[in-house]
Amino acid sequence: ILNVEQSPQSLHVQEGDSTNFTCSFPSSNFYALHWYRWETAKSPEALFVMTLNGDEKKKGRISATLNTKEGYSYLYIKGSQPEDSATYLCAFSGNAGNMLTFGGGTRLMVKP
Amino acid sequence: DVKVTQSSRYLVKRTGEKVFLECVQDMDHENMFWYRQDPGLGLRLIYFSYDVKMKEKGDIPEGYSVSREKKERFSLILESASTNQTSMYLCASSLVAAQETQYFGPGTRLLVL
Repeated sequence: ILNVEQSPQSLHVQEGDSTNFTCSFPSSNFYALHWYRWETAKSPEALFVMTLNGDEKKKGRISATLNTKEGYSYLYIKGSQPEDSATYLCAFSGNAGNMLTFGGGTRLMVKP
Repeated sequence: DVKVTQSSRYLVKRTGEKVFLECVQDMDHENMFWYRQDPGLGLRLIYFSYDVKMKEKGDIPEGYSVSREKKERFSLILESASTNQTSMYLCASSLVAAQETQYFGPGTRLLVL
């Protein structure tokens, strides 16, 4: 079983704060790294798929970077809003298999 | 928009009962997945299907079986529910390759008493 870890496990920030969290994954046999956002009582939804070392993706105030050589990805949220409160999941896929392996998630709570 | 629906949002069952969780996707996706999510453990793959009547075990298949008789429908079966199967169950689908973006249902929270 592949080891995909996310830190921190949970995070409380004030509205307007910028924040970031980490996903670490195996640095060999890399195919893609996915980020999902999972709001309470909703379905997880895809944020980004990243495939190349050095990739940077942006969607509004959320951005992500990828370092496949050292096996980590950062997710950044600029100026957090209460509606950003959710669990953020990363998922790794490697060449050897077809499955996504998910990390444990980072639960973000933004206080107004 | 891809839509993945699950038959129940909340379910309460007794130990030993047979439980069926149904999942339907409306976008003609080849692959369908069943995960369970427990606090601090992330999503763990139970079973995966890449075609009608085809299935593969995931990381934690023990105590579960699946059925895919039609392309759009993937069922998870707990033959004899146990309390350690209390969890959130998520269904997902992807278009062709399992490594592609997966589209998730809203989840079924199952409580086994």
